[in-house]
Amino acid sequence: QLQLQESGPGLVKPSETLSLTCTVSGDSISNSDYHWGWIRQPPGKGLEWIGSMYYYSGNTYYNASLKSRVTISLDTSKNQVSLKVTSMTAADTAVYFCVRVLGPTGPDFWGQGTLVTVSS
Amino acid sequence: QAVVTQEPSLTVSPGGTVTLTCGSSIGTVTSGHYPYWFQQKPGQAPRTLIYDTNNKHPWTPARFSGSLLGGKGALTLSGAQPEDEADYYCLLSYGAAGPVFGGGTKLTVL
Repeated sequence: QLQLQESGPGLVKPSETLSLTCTVSGDSISNSDYHWGWIRQPPGKGLEWIGSMYYYSGNTYYNASLKSRVTISLDTSKNQVSLKVTSMTAADTAVYFCVRVLGPTGPDFWGQGTLVTVSS
Repeated sequence: QAVVTQEPSLTVSPGGTVTLTCGSSIGTVTSGHYPYWFQQKPGQAPRTLIYDTNNKHPWTPARFSGSLLGGKGALTLSGAQPEDEADYYCLLSYGAAGPVFGGGTKLTVL
């Protein structure tokens, strides 16, 4: 049974870097059928694609509006997907979801999400 | 960046049929946009109902179907149930520009 479990700090100060980890069980992030990525949702608002990564090519695909601040990486030894977002501001306050992605087109499976609040 | 448009809200009667649409600001939606549809209930993560226009996952209720309709992506719910009350989001893929979500449709079953 596939499970994606996000973990990381619930509170980040402005200008700091956010680091989140997604631990995958029930599938391997080296599975050639899938990419792995992140999506976020500000409280009470809609969904925003952050980006994804494909293990075999090492290619990453980022939302252009976030590309300068975002890094997604894969750790096959731990079967984990990581997200780093630099220079956090209040606008980055959101629930962050880890997702398994069908090719680079869209997610088929979601983690439960983790709320990250940016505040001093 | 393209803007993906959805109806902000819709209402359907129990047992009724409703179609939600997903448009693109830069033209007709085609199968090449690989339309996705997601359902999100309050306090829960979204779940994927439809991928690549009209493909269902094992967990997708049979009453949901995806299609292309009038130059837009479409999600049709036939035989609405009270538990279908939720927010629905679509997603379109724009190749190298990446995927873009619609703003969501709040569906009320009343």
